[in-house]
Amino acid sequence: AQKVTQAQTEISVVEKEDVTLDCVYETRDTTYYLFWYKQPPSGELVFLIRRNSFDEQNEISGRYSWNFQKSTSSFNFTITASQVVDSAVYFCAFNTNTGNQFYFGTGTSLTVIP
Amino acid sequence: GAVVSQHPSRVICKSGTSVKIECRSLDFQATTMFWYRQFPKQSLMLMATSNEGSKATYEQGVEKDKFLINHASLTLSTLTVTSAHPEDSSFYICSARDGAYSGNTIYFGEGSWLTVV
Repeated sequence: AQKVTQAQTEISVVEKEDVTLDCVYETRDTTYYLFWYKQPPSGELVFLIRRNSFDEQNEISGRYSWNFQKSTSSFNFTITASQVVDSAVYFCAFNTNTGNQFYFGTGTSLTVIP
Repeated sequence: GAVVSQHPSRVICKSGTSVKIECRSLDFQATTMFWYRQFPKQSLMLMATSNEGSKATYEQGVEKDKFLINHASLTLSTLTVTSAHPEDSSFYICSARDGAYSGNTIYFGEGSWLTVV
């Protein structure tokens, strides 16, 4: 069965702090894709990153970085020097090479306090 | 980049009426589109998968007679909530797969807020 777990329901940090959002997935497929999306209050899903299962290289994009560890089936997301505009719900998602369906985690609501 | 557009972004309808939500791929052909539903402070749950020219595949527990999905062209899928009730109030979001690309390139629409009063 495919499953994505985001154990952190809500996180609050003070502006400029670093914060890591956890994501753990379950699958028996060897080829799959992992995603992170940001969902602001307006509702739209903002694509942040896609990583395939064969690429375990960590990625950094500005203040965002992702740590993909197949050994622990984790794909964690770190925001460095958080800003108020980072406040949103963040979803980790997964889909397989054979299917098109996205499996979403339950989301982590991040609040950055000024 | 590829864009998926949903319309309307917000709609209020009376209980008992039907409401249609459109999902369009603006610059690519979408052989497959997906409809998700999101309740407040919850995750997105897949409702159905629609393939152009064929019947939609509904997830377990989703009433196909209540949530009518039509994918009549490669750029348009519609979700019609029939005989809407207040409990149908939710955020509906579609996604579309670019049929010209063999990878998992899937784009999400902006979502539609439905309020049934």
